[in-house]
Amino acid sequence: QQPVQSPQAVILREGEDAVINCSSSKALYSVHWYRQKHGEAPVFLMILLKGGEQKGHEKISASFNEKKQQSSLYLTASQLSYSGTYFCGTGTNFGNEKLTFGTGTRLTIIP
Amino acid sequence: ETGVTQSPTHLIKTRGQQVTLRCSSQSGHNTVSWYQQALGQGPQFIFQYYREEENGRGNFPPRFSGLQFPNYSSELNVNALELDDSALYLCASSVTGKGTEAFFGQGTRLTVV
Repeated sequence: QQPVQSPQAVILREGEDAVINCSSSKALYSVHWYRQKHGEAPVFLMILLKGGEQKGHEKISASFNEKKQQSSLYLTASQLSYSGTYFCGTGTNFGNEKLTFGTGTRLTIIP
Repeated sequence: ETGVTQSPTHLIKTRGQQVTLRCSSQSGHNTVSWYQQALGQGPQFIFQYYREEENGRGNFPPRFSGLQFPNYSSELNVNALELDDSALYLCASSVTGKGTEAFFGQGTRLTVV
């Protein structure tokens, strides 16, 4: 069962904030976030491990609630370069990155 | 640039043929995972190789097979190609046992006609 992401798509103006959610029906050890631009490979953004931690760098951060099996990705003051499809990949075992990817969220940033 | 390289970048094959895709993992990474990404979908896990052995498999038929070599590079082989095998094939390298990130190569776009 793949994780469910919401929203499926969102359009924002440059400078606005976005939140992308990822929800799984399985107990998770890790959540990996990727951004993929059209025709390119997914680019790693960050990993969150079991423990309910929150991570972030610059204007992109994420949280992981292991009890609810949910993760959220926060994009602050979005830039045009943030456009793309965001995927969460979930792992259920320690140190074993056999990821099950979500349905994807298409983010479009307009000037 | 992740240091994970795949070849070829594009490939066109005829239904029923066989194909081999290659992946060189990032330096220091001992595990390679293969994914299939159909248009508009998220990547789907095919299988993973660790220490030259298959270490888990997704819901793919046996005509999808692989290898990992002592230098941790890997191959994905698909026999008896079907039209539905047309997709972007991605490999991701990681370090098993550390709970670390997995980095993707640029992918191989396979078209089956």
